[in-house]
Amino acid sequence: DQQVKQNSPSLSVQEGRISILNCDYTNSMFDYFLWYKKYPAEGPTFLISISSIKDKNEDGRFTVFLNKSAKHLSLHIVPSQPGDSAVYFCAALSRKTSYDKVIFGPGTSLSVIP
Amino acid sequence: DGGITQSPKYLFRKEGQNVTLSCEQNLNHDAMYWYRQDPGQGLRLIYYSQIVNDFQKGDIAEGYSVSREKKESFPLTVTSAQKNPTAFYLCASSVLPQGKRTDTQYFGPGTRLTVL
Repeated sequence: DQQVKQNSPSLSVQEGRISILNCDYTNSMFDYFLWYKKYPAEGPTFLISISSIKDKNEDGRFTVFLNKSAKHLSLHIVPSQPGDSAVYFCAALSRKTSYDKVIFGPGTSLSVIP
Repeated sequence: DGGITQSPKYLFRKEGQNVTLSCEQNLNHDAMYWYRQDPGQGLRLIYYSQIVNDFQKGDIAEGYSVSREKKESFPLTVTSAQKNPTAFYLCASSVLPQGKRTDTQYFGPGTRLTVL
C-alpha cells in the first residue's frame, strides 16, 4: 500500500506556463515533505521542502503548497523552462518516530515543451 | 569537491552470481542509504546505516547485504537470492541520522545493474 502517491505518471507543459505536480499521502504521522528532481541516469537532487507547520514554502520559481486536512501537497513551477524536464519525486517522513524513514512517491515525469 | 560516487555506472552479471556495488562519500555524513528504483515505482529502501559498524534493513532487504566498516563507504552486495535484481540502484547519505534532525539526502549518480 503506497503511503505517498503521485497519481500522474507524466505531465506536459508549454514553456513559460505553470507546472503543477501533485502528491497525496495517507499517513497522518508525516510532518515533513520534500520534493526531489531526477534527470535520467542520475541520482535525485533535493529541490524544496516544507514542514507541516507551514502551508506554503517558496524558493525562486518553485513553490510547494501543503493542505494537511486533505493530505495533499503540490509543487508549482513558474515559469516552466525546458531544463525543468525531469522526474519529480514527492517524499514524506515523520519526525515523531525514532528513525525518520523517508517514503518516496513513484514520481511524475515532467516535459516542458519549448 | 565533496560528493557521493557510485561505481560502476553500468554493470552486467550472469544470473546466480553475487555482485557488489560501490558507494563512497567524502561529505563526512554519518548516515548512508541504499535504494532501488524500478519503473513506475518510487525509491524503495534496501538498507541504511546511521553509524559505522551498524546497519538496518529497509523495506526490501531480502537478497541483499551491506557492510559499513568505514564512515565513507557503504557497499551493497546483490546476492543470488535476490529474485529480481535488475534495477537502478541509488546510494545516498545525510548529515546526521534523520532521527536527530531533518536532513535532506544527497544521492549518488546510481548504478544500473542488469542480470542476464
